[in-house]
Amino acid sequence: SQQGEEDPQALSIQEGENATMNCSYKTSINNLQWYRQNSGRGLVHLILIRSNEREKHSGRLRVTLDTSKKSSSLLITASRAADTASYFCATSNQGGKLIFGQGTELSVKP
Amino acid sequence: DTGVSQDPRHKITKRGQNVTFRCDPISEHNRLYWYRQTLGQGPEFLTYFQNEAQLEKSRLLSDRFSAERPKGSFSTLEIQRTEQGDSAMYLCASSRGREEANYGYTFGSGTRLTVV
Repeated sequence: SQQGEEDPQALSIQEGENATMNCSYKTSINNLQWYRQNSGRGLVHLILIRSNEREKHSGRLRVTLDTSKKSSSLLITASRAADTASYFCATSNQGGKLIFGQGTELSVKP
Repeated sequence: DTGVSQDPRHKITKRGQNVTFRCDPISEHNRLYWYRQTLGQGPEFLTYFQNEAQLEKSRLLSDRFSAERPKGSFSTLEIQRTEQGDSAMYLCASSRGREEANYGYTFGSGTRLTVV
């Protein structure tokens, strides 16, 4: 079963703009991870944030986590056409398996 | 090491036939996961192994599905008597067990199954 919802389901922006995607989840977590998937391919791990962390950066990516609201956001700054892909959040509890959201489909137009 | 390998990349089969998929994880990863993904949806957990032990199976994994990981190396996922509803992308991933808290999963490119 899916852990939660991602918002928006689809996002279309111009190259150079920032893209923000949100993720909500339902249960307590050990960590939250974001993955990227190009059409018809496997998923690529982008960034992981632990439940005791509030913000994390990696290159043009910024992730925030609010455990009181059970939500996370992924910000991609200065987007490029190559960032076009689907983005998924996934939560991990003590059991170790990841539960994925429905994903946000990002389109970056040149 | 070239990452997680899945074979075949694509499989078209007739309804009622059996199919088997293979996954070769990263060699030092002791955990291996199977997920299923349909169009426009996120991956859904099916089952996972720690070494050769199958630790958890989703209710999605009906009795027509079976997974094995002999000797804790590669894994196979078999679907018996395939149905059209089994058409999906089957994804395999591996991780370093507890170290996934630092590194996340490494996914293969998936096997796309089409049941006609």
